[in-house]
Amino acid sequence: EVQILETGGGLVKPGGSLRLSCATSGFNFNDYFMNWVRQAPGKGLEWVAQIRNKNYNYATYYAESLEGRVTISRDDSKSSVYLQVSSLRAEDTAIYYCTRAFDYWGQGVMVTVSS
Amino acid sequence: DIQMTQSPSSMSASLGDRVTITCQASQDIGNNLIWFQQKPGKSPRPMIYYATNLANGVPSRFSGSRSGSDYSLTISSLESEDMADYHCLQYKQYPLTFGSGTKLEIK
Repeated sequence: EVQILETGGGLVKPGGSLRLSCATSGFNFNDYFMNWVRQAPGKGLEWVAQIRNKNYNYATYYAESLEGRVTISRDDSKSSVYLQVSSLRAEDTAIYYCTRAFDYWGQGVMVTVSS
Repeated sequence: DIQMTQSPSSMSASLGDRVTITCQASQDIGNNLIWFQQKPGKSPRPMIYYATNLANGVPSRFSGSRSGSDYSLTISSLESEDMADYHCLQYKQYPLTFGSGTKLEIK
């Protein structure tokens, strides 16, 4: 059974940073591109970042609205993917989802940016 | 960036109605589009892959189609469990982009 679990959310002050983790199991992690998607309260979905697998040299791609403030990474030995977000703003407040190629999704983790 | 213009933003329909939601792509995306259903407090669930292919376990009343740059999700006969938000995603080109979403309510 595919399982995806995000952790690391919480309340952060503006200007702060956060590292989200996504632990997976139940599939061959090495085979898949992994993504982060976020959803601000009451809003639609916004793609944040993607990291490809080793066959594609772990290439990374980012939403332009976050580029420069966000870094996606993965550890194939731990079947995990990470999202580092810095210089957080109120508009970064959202549920952050980790998804395997958009077919399996975690339950999401809430990030609240507020003083 | 490819813009996905989704319509309507919300709609209300009766049980048994035929419902269609549309996403229009600002550039060619081929069939590189996924439709998602999202119920309150839940993660998105893929319904349609590659514009027209039903995902595993999705009821056959759901279908996807394409006409040029317009992509449609159709529910042939609305059921109460279909009340949800629906989103499209293009994955032809980075940055990947979602439509703005459609809230589907039952009358």
